[in-house]
Amino acid sequence: DAGVTQSPTHLIKTRGQHVTLRCSPISGHKSVSWYQQVLGQGPQFIFQYYEKEERGRGNFPDRFSARQFPNYSSELNVNALLLGDSALYLCASSLWWRDGEQFFGPGTRLTVL
Amino acid sequence: ELKVEQNPLFLSMQEGKNYTIYCNYSTTSDRLYWYRQDPGKSLESLFVLLSNGAVKQEGRLMASLDTKARLSTLHITAAVHDLSATYFCAVDSLAVGGGSNYKLTFGKGTLLTVNP
Repeated sequence: DAGVTQSPTHLIKTRGQHVTLRCSPISGHKSVSWYQQVLGQGPQFIFQYYEKEERGRGNFPDRFSARQFPNYSSELNVNALLLGDSALYLCASSLWWRDGEQFFGPGTRLTVL
Repeated sequence: ELKVEQNPLFLSMQEGKNYTIYCNYSTTSDRLYWYRQDPGKSLESLFVLLSNGAVKQEGRLMASLDTKARLSTLHITAAVHDLSATYFCAVDSLAVGGGSNYKLTFGKGTLLTVNP
């Protein structure tokens, strides 16, 4: 079975631009979470979605938004990119929103110049 | 706000030796997770600890949870080079707004290097 997939793998943007990152969860998983991992730090929680509804939000500005589709895939959108948004963006899926175990995708490496 | 602290942050050890990584957290939670991350890679789930006193073992790694002390440990027995990686603990808590909102808070990670 396929694991969590994310696209694109790498992305280079300039300040002020917009970016959309995509995630497909493991088949049968209904919850998707997004994390930002800056080099040398632990992942920081951004959003969690379950059954297309937002179930959790981290301390990120409104420039960050997300949504989940009927097939449980998800998009993370970031507007007005800043240099500090450069990071590895990780998507994780789980069976439901309070599931004990989250399975992480390979991540999208975003570089903002 | 929940704080998760790991120590040590850097650990260099010899093959064959034993050591323990500690994970302390600041608010009540009965769910704690350990992950492994290899350089440039994503996170691999190692252990899910869902109750006080939970102990799980896989190979040379053993994790335990003491919810009263708000402490989890990851014990490494007879380390081998293949265990070299960054290890994260993570604790779940209510996100902004409380209610049913949920988030996972990670520690800063422990970079483990096992030398021959």
